Amino acid sequence: DIQMTQSPSTLSASVGDRVTITCRASQNINTWLAWYQQKPGKAPKLLISRSSTSEGGVPSRFSGSGSGTEFTLTISSLQPDDFATYYCQHGWTFGQGTKVEI
Amino acid sequence: QVHLQESGPGLVRSSQTLSLTCTVSDGSIGTGGYYWSWIRQHPGQGLEWIGYIYYTGSTYYNASLKSRLSISVDTSKNQFSLNLTSVTAADTALYYCARAQTPVVFDIWGQGTMVTVSS
Repeated sequence: DIQMTQSPSTLSASVGDRVTITCRASQNINTWLAWYQQKPGKAPKLLISRSSTSEGGVPSRFSGSGSGTEFTLTISSLQPDDFATYYCQHGWTFGQGTKVEI
Repeated sequence: QVHLQESGPGLVRSSQTLSLTCTVSDGSIGTGGYYWSWIRQHPGQGLEWIGYIYYTGSTYYNASLKSRLSISVDTSKNQFSLNLTSVTAADTALYYCARAQTPVVFDIWGQGTMVTVSS
């Protein structure tokens, strides 16, 4: 089974910061990677699919990149609404999550 | 926009069967190309995919739950259901139903329902 590993587990940042979250796959997954945002008490929301394709309505400050085994989610200028937990996902496997906190 | 809604008891006794239903609205579960999934989240933890069912009835389960798990579909009611037998406290979690497309992305989620297993 392919394992997905995110880093860091927790990230402390301030409004306006550029934030980068990394997700590594244990095998080559081409660009078959998605990113989700989950806020407390809410279901996850799909942000990005196929490594870099943003879903409709996702702010342009969110971007994804990578292929093969290493991927990144970048928030170019962190906004108050972005404090949440982010998950990467490939196939039926999720990363363990990265909590972005103040 | 397709909407998913979970329903079922919030409390299940240990060793009993956990049963949940997901009702799909504003869309047909019989539309091919989607994998109707269950995902759970233990308190304070990450996301664990449980399994999926296709509208034809074909299923695929997480190997760690396969021996206790059954997912079924009722296309006439636009619902799919989860049965997890012999539950323990380790099955206490927030359970989500979700729609998956291929390649696998979970594009639509229910709001989730909390299930607590009590002794």
